[in-house]
Amino acid sequence: QQPVQSPQAVILREGEDAVINCSSSKALYSVHWYRQKHGEAPVFLMILLKGGEQKGHDKISASFNEKKQQSSLYLTASQLSYSGTYFCGTATGTASKLTFGTGTRLQVTL
Amino acid sequence: NAGVTQTPKFRVLKTGQSMTLLCAQDMNHEYMYWYRQDPGMGLRLIHYSVGEGTTAKGEVPDGYNVSRLKKQNFLLGLESAAPSQTSVYFCASRRGQGSISGNQPQHFGDGTRLSIL
Repeated sequence: QQPVQSPQAVILREGEDAVINCSSSKALYSVHWYRQKHGEAPVFLMILLKGGEQKGHDKISASFNEKKQQSSLYLTASQLSYSGTYFCGTATGTASKLTFGTGTRLQVTL
Repeated sequence: NAGVTQTPKFRVLKTGQSMTLLCAQDMNHEYMYWYRQDPGMGLRLIHYSVGEGTTAKGEVPDGYNVSRLKKQNFLLGLESAAPSQTSVYFCASRRGQGSISGNQPQHFGDGTRLSIL
């Protein structure tokens, strides 16, 4: 079963913040975040393992709430280059595969 | 370092024709995956492989076959193409890590855009 991402789409002005959520009905081992620009391949952003950790690089960070089986991706002071579709991928137990959400389309405007 | 290379990049087929998509990786990764991406549906796993000579079904395996005869290559075959298989196909690979899975990033190829008329 696919994880549920929200919102489905968001439009921001440059400099604004955004939060993208990813929820699963299954107990998760890890959550992966990827960004895909139009016509390109998905690019890895970060992985969060169970344990409620928070990670980040530059102005993009994420958290993983193990109790809620939910991860959130935080984009602060958004830049035009942040535009794209963000996907979460979830792994359960020692599964060798990810199940991806349907994506959140983010558009940053001037 | 080429990473993950998919061939061809574009292809148009007629219903009933067969073809093979090739994925090659030069990172010595154990795990390889084939996904299809359709508008509004994200990435859906077709088949995957956890090592040379092994394959397993994903979420949407019907109508596709795969082979992993060499560690670096993962082939996706369509025996009798149908219009419903029109999609963008992505290959990905990642390191294995013993019994601990799920904490290695996947590296994606640039995709194959396949249209079936």
